[in-house]
Amino acid sequence: DAGVIQSPRHEVTEMGQEVTLRCKPISGHNSLFWYRQTMMRGLELLIYFNNNVPIDDSGMPEDRFSAKMPNASFSTLKIQPSEPRDSAVYFCASRWSGTGARETQYFGPGTRLLVL
Amino acid sequence: SQQGEEDPQALSIQEGENATMNCSYKTSINNLQWYRQNSGRGLVHLILIRSNEREKHSGRLRVTLDTSKKSSSLLITASRAADTASYFCAFSGSARQLTFGSGTQLTVLP
Repeated sequence: DAGVIQSPRHEVTEMGQEVTLRCKPISGHNSLFWYRQTMMRGLELLIYFNNNVPIDDSGMPEDRFSAKMPNASFSTLKIQPSEPRDSAVYFCASRWSGTGARETQYFGPGTRLLVL
Repeated sequence: SQQGEEDPQALSIQEGENATMNCSYKTSINNLQWYRQNSGRGLVHLILIRSNEREKHSGRLRVTLDTSKKSSSLLITASRAADTASYFCAFSGSARQLTFGSGTQLTVLP
């Protein structure tokens, strides 16, 4: 299995530009999570989906952030417009959520975002 | 949701020594997990302990859980230079989503 795939791995953009991060979860997993990691705030859950439906988006910092999961194998996290304080590493994780599931999450390699 | 707290924030030991990291949390939990993060990489799951368990082993890892004190510890025995990484506890409550601790940066010197 290829694991969770994220793209791009690195993104440098200017303030005000739109940024789209992409994630392909592990095949067969039905829950997907977007996290943001910074030195100041650590690892924060932004949003998670179960069976492609957003369950909890209370961690999404502002209306500038949006996430979609159009099908079981693809999700996007969009920031529009981007600001320097959005600079962070964004992780996607997936897991199987069902009866007897172990609740172990599998993380992608992350997207390192720098907004100038 | 509130983060767990971990201590120490940083730990430096010699190869072959044991490393102990502690995690405290504030809510009721279903389980507690430990993850490892190498520099510039994603998190990798190490071990999970359920709320009705007190101790669990996996290779050189030993995890304890004290729900009365709302704390857990991760012990790595006979450490190796390759164990150098950040270690995070993460706990799952009724919402079944994980809340991560602040992490411990472990450095194992050869």
